[in-house]
Amino acid sequence: GEDVEQSLFLSVREGDSSVINCTYTDSSSTYLYWYKQEPGAGLQLLTYIFSNMDMKQDQRLTVLLNKKDKHLSLRIADTQTGDSAIYFCAETAQSGNTPLVFGKGTRLSVIA
Amino acid sequence: DGGITQSPKYLFRKEGQNVTLSCEQNLNHDAMYWYRQDPGQGLRLIYYSQIVNDFQKGDIAEGYSVSREKKESFPLTVTSAQKNPTAFYLCASSIAWQGVEQYFGPGTRLTVT
Repeated sequence: GEDVEQSLFLSVREGDSSVINCTYTDSSSTYLYWYKQEPGAGLQLLTYIFSNMDMKQDQRLTVLLNKKDKHLSLRIADTQTGDSAIYFCAETAQSGNTPLVFGKGTRLSVIA
Repeated sequence: DGGITQSPKYLFRKEGQNVTLSCEQNLNHDAMYWYRQDPGQGLRLIYYSQIVNDFQKGDIAEGYSVSREKKESFPLTVTSAQKNPTAFYLCASSIAWQGVEQYFGPGTRLTVT
């Protein structure tokens, strides 16, 4: 079945850029998403990218998609302590029998 | 304000008791989902419903049951058959069940002792 892989931890200094990586296996993926989860809360949709795009920028967030390698990344510029959270990558396709497939999440720790 | 509500935020039960977690949405979404989250495990899909009066088992449905009698409501019952019920439970909804983003509620932390 479809699978989404992420590294579990990332630690950066405040003010630096963070890059969170994700790989997926489903070649029919149509939409790829990044969600943020703060402690004890639900998931918040941060941004998304269509599979026919290479890059999407939204303020401090930049999403890069390498469809050939099935690799997605989320770059957070000027990382702040408020960015400390778990970040989930997710993918879905318009066909098939499954809803969103999530990675296990990357815990980002920002050191002041 | 449109959104998804889950209640209560924290729930405590004794082993052997069934417990029902509430999930309500006013987004007019057709599809709703229940996930379980354990530390380091990410999200695991318990049940989902594509439309009213229909629901499907997810990856870890054993020991859980759901109903979808109204579009806005998708309650989850954790039965005594669930061997390890202590977890964080997340409800989500989406306008359709494929190819679109899901919106999440704030979650319910269930502790069974």
